[in-house]
Amino acid sequence: AQKVTQAQTEISVVEKEDVTLDCVYETRDTTYYLFWYKQPPSGELVFLIRRNSFDEQNEISGRYSWNFQKSTSSFNFTITASQVVDSAVYFCALTVADRGSTLGRLYFGRGTQLTVWP
Amino acid sequence: NAGVTQTPKFQVLKTGQSMTLQCAQDMNHEYMSWYRQDPGMGLRLIHYSVGAGITDQGEVPNGYNVSRSTTEDFPLRLLSAAPSQTSVYFCASTKGGLYGYTFGSGTRLTVV
Repeated sequence: AQKVTQAQTEISVVEKEDVTLDCVYETRDTTYYLFWYKQPPSGELVFLIRRNSFDEQNEISGRYSWNFQKSTSSFNFTITASQVVDSAVYFCALTVADRGSTLGRLYFGRGTQLTVWP
Repeated sequence: NAGVTQTPKFQVLKTGQSMTLQCAQDMNHEYMSWYRQDPGMGLRLIHYSVGAGITDQGEVPNGYNVSRSTTEDFPLRLLSAAPSQTSVYFCASTKGGLYGYTFGSGTRLTVV
């Protein structure tokens, strides 16, 4: 069975602080993909990043960075120098690719509400 | 490209009424799925489809029906709405996990 845990329900920071959102996943499949999505107050789901299970390289995109560690089954997301516009709910998600019947299913964590105060 | 189109965006139903949430994609994606989002629960899978004519249940299927007669469309039916079905519904499609998922803009449903 697949499971994604985001233990942080809410995080509040002041603008320009760095913040890390935690994501821990469970799967027995060897081929899987991990995602982060942002949901701003407007409600749409905005894709941020996709990482496959064979690529443990960290990734940086502007103020965003992701740390993928298979040894701890974690895929954490860091925002550097946070801004008010980063305020949103952030979801971590997992999909597996080893079985056709489960392909196409996304397993979401419960999300972390990030509030950045000016 | 329109991507994934969901209609309606908002809907209010009375308990016991039926309705269909529409989802259409124009990307020729094989895989389509429906999720509901409730506060503090994340997005939970209702039903999904791996191709035309093939559907299966997800995590929270009770009270919902689906069918997939074409590759493009994947409607979600509520046969007898209940207040517990008040939620935000998202439809998604993908060519496969490697390629990422495309989500619709969501339908906010209130059952009174």
